[in-house]
Amino acid sequence: EVQLVESGGGLVQPGRSLRLSCAASGFTFDDYAMHWVRQDPGKGLEWVSGISWNSGRIGYADSVKGRFTISRDNAKNSLYLQMNSLRAEDTALYYCAKDVGVRGVSNWFDPWGQGTLVTVSS
Amino acid sequence: DIQMTQSPSSLSASVGDRVTITCRASQSISSYLNWYQQKPGKAPKLLIYAASSLQSGVPSRFSGSGSGTDFTLTISSLQPEDFATYYCQQSYSTQITFGQGTRLEIK
Repeated sequence: EVQLVESGGGLVQPGRSLRLSCAASGFTFDDYAMHWVRQDPGKGLEWVSGISWNSGRIGYADSVKGRFTISRDNAKNSLYLQMNSLRAEDTALYYCAKDVGVRGVSNWFDPWGQGTLVTVSS
Repeated sequence: DIQMTQSPSSLSASVGDRVTITCRASQSISSYLNWYQQKPGKAPKLLIYAASSLQSGVPSRFSGSGSGTDFTLTISSLQPEDFATYYCQQSYSTQITFGQGTRLEIK
């Protein structure tokens, strides 16, 4: 069974940093692109960032470009999101999601983890 | 960025009803359109990809259609477990975007 378990969320002051992790199991991690998608509590979904299976292709939403960095460690079956210069509007539940394409990037997501909550507030 | 607009924003229906949700893109996205279902407190689940392909394990009462800018998700006969929020998502652009969601409620 595919499992994605996010961690690293919490309460952080504006301007500070946080690093999210996603531990993957149940599939060949280094065959798939991975993504971060966030959801403002009670609101809609926003794609944040994606990374190809070999880290050769990386993309960011304009809202986080220059502040967030996605990375992966295929040896550890793990995905990361380094978030710097955090703002109140970054407050959200952050989901890790597996891309459907094998050794490619389809940009549709299945499955998703259960999310980790990031709250940016003073 | 490509804007995705869903209609209606909310919908009340009864078990057994046929329901259609619409998603419109601000520019042509070919068939790069996906649909997700989200239940309260749960992560989204992929239902339909590439506009009309049913994801493995998803009941056949769900179907998708459309291309270009206009797309629909249809549930042929609503079941109690289908009451949820539905999102469309375009995967045409490198700036991936979602619709605002359609909340499907029990009448």
